[in-house]
Amino acid sequence: EIVLAQSPDTLSLSPGERATLSCRASQTVTYLAWYQQKPGQAPRLLIYDTSTRATGIPARFSGSGSETDFTLTISSLEPEDFAVYYCQQRTNWRVTFGPGTKVDIK
Amino acid sequence: QLQLQESGPGLVKPSETLSLTCSVSGDSINTNSYYWAWIRQPPGRGLEWIGSVFRSGNTYNSPSLQSRVTISIDTSSNHFSLRLRSVTAADTAFYYCARHRFGDFRGFDYWGQGALVTVSS
Repeated sequence: EIVLAQSPDTLSLSPGERATLSCRASQTVTYLAWYQQKPGQAPRLLIYDTSTRATGIPARFSGSGSETDFTLTISSLEPEDFAVYYCQQRTNWRVTFGPGTKVDIK
Repeated sequence: QLQLQESGPGLVKPSETLSLTCSVSGDSINTNSYYWAWIRQPPGRGLEWIGSVFRSGNTYNSPSLQSRVTISIDTSSNHFSLRLRSVTAADTAFYYCARHRFGDFRGFDYWGQGALVTVSS
């Protein structure tokens, strides 16, 4: 099973600042996606196929990376962006999620 | 607008079987374009994929849950279902149904609101 590690566990930032979230896989992955989850809500798809924004996702969200190292960047945090972010991979018909990074208000 | 809605008992006794249904509205699940999936999340913890089913009934499941899981699909009723056998307290979680594309994987793009299932005597 491919294990995803996310860092940092928590990122404390102010609105307007840039957020950089990391996701590292134990093996090369085929497909990599990112989700945002707010308390009491289902996750929301932000990025799929490493760098493609899902429908309706603002341009301040961007994804990059390859093979085992991936990054989600939020260029300038808006108040509604403070949430938990998960990376997720699918390779060889197996799906796993990372443990999440919490982005909270400094 | 596609909507997914989980339903089923909120309390299950240890060793029994957890059963949930996901009702889909706004589009047909009898499509060659998508798989239909179950994902769970223990309260305060991370996400775990359980498995996915295609319109044909073909499934692929998490190896760690494979022996206890059955996912089925009823295209005539436009819903799909999860059965998880021999549950323990560790199976207490929010259970989400979701959708992902067949072929190129483009993430789980639609989710239900989630259903909390507690395993307790």
